Amino acid sequence: AQSVTQLDSQVPVFEEAPVELRCNYSSSVSVYLFWYVQYPNQGLQLLLKYLSGSTLVKGINGFEAEFNKSQTSFHLRKPSVHISDTAEYFCAVTGGLFTGFQKLVFGTGTRLLVSP
Amino acid sequence: GAGVSQSPSNKVTEKGKDVELRCDPISGHTALYWYRQRLGQGLEFLIYFQGNSAPDKSGLPSDRFSAERTGESVSTLTIQRTQQEDSAVYLCASSPPGLAGGKGGEQFFGPGTRLTVL
Repeated sequence: AQSVTQLDSQVPVFEEAPVELRCNYSSSVSVYLFWYVQYPNQGLQLLLKYLSGSTLVKGINGFEAEFNKSQTSFHLRKPSVHISDTAEYFCAVTGGLFTGFQKLVFGTGTRLLVSP
Repeated sequence: GAGVSQSPSNKVTEKGKDVELRCDPISGHTALYWYRQRLGQGLEFLIYFQGNSAPDKSGLPSDRFSAERTGESVSTLTIQRTQQEDSAVYLCASSPPGLAGGKGGEQFFGPGTRLTVL
């Protein structure tokens, strides 16, 4: 079984500052890893995903994440945030290669609050 | 094309009443998922459909919860005899056919139905 831990429930940051949102996972099988963003009163939108290959994954809106297998982490980063990045960010994992459709296991989310 | 749609967007009901929540997936998406998001918590998996069958119902919290899907399209999540702890946002997602390895496992989410049980 998989699980995801997002230790930071809320991260306040000033506009144009860098940010890192932490995600750690546990799994006994190979995993796919995802970051989703949820803007206020909207559905979840995929930011980026790791399937295989390069451990540094680039996503939309200037976000990137690095898969670290030894530390079982998939932290999300952005070098300079904007007010519009204020949202809830969810890390998620699904397991296995060639196992067909899989449910996503989500972390509890991190609320990013960007202030001027 | 159109994304995943859900209706109603908001539902307020009294304890003990039954409710039906609807999900229209993206056309051609064979997999459909229901999740629940309680206030301040992450998303909990409820059930997944492959076509019209449900290989994984492991997340349904009790026998008051049921779901069906017809015509590899619309799905309905039914909650009978609602309780206050059922209050949450119910999210539906769909994904295209093919193995997760080929299609990357991405799920496309609808805007959700906010259910409030008084």
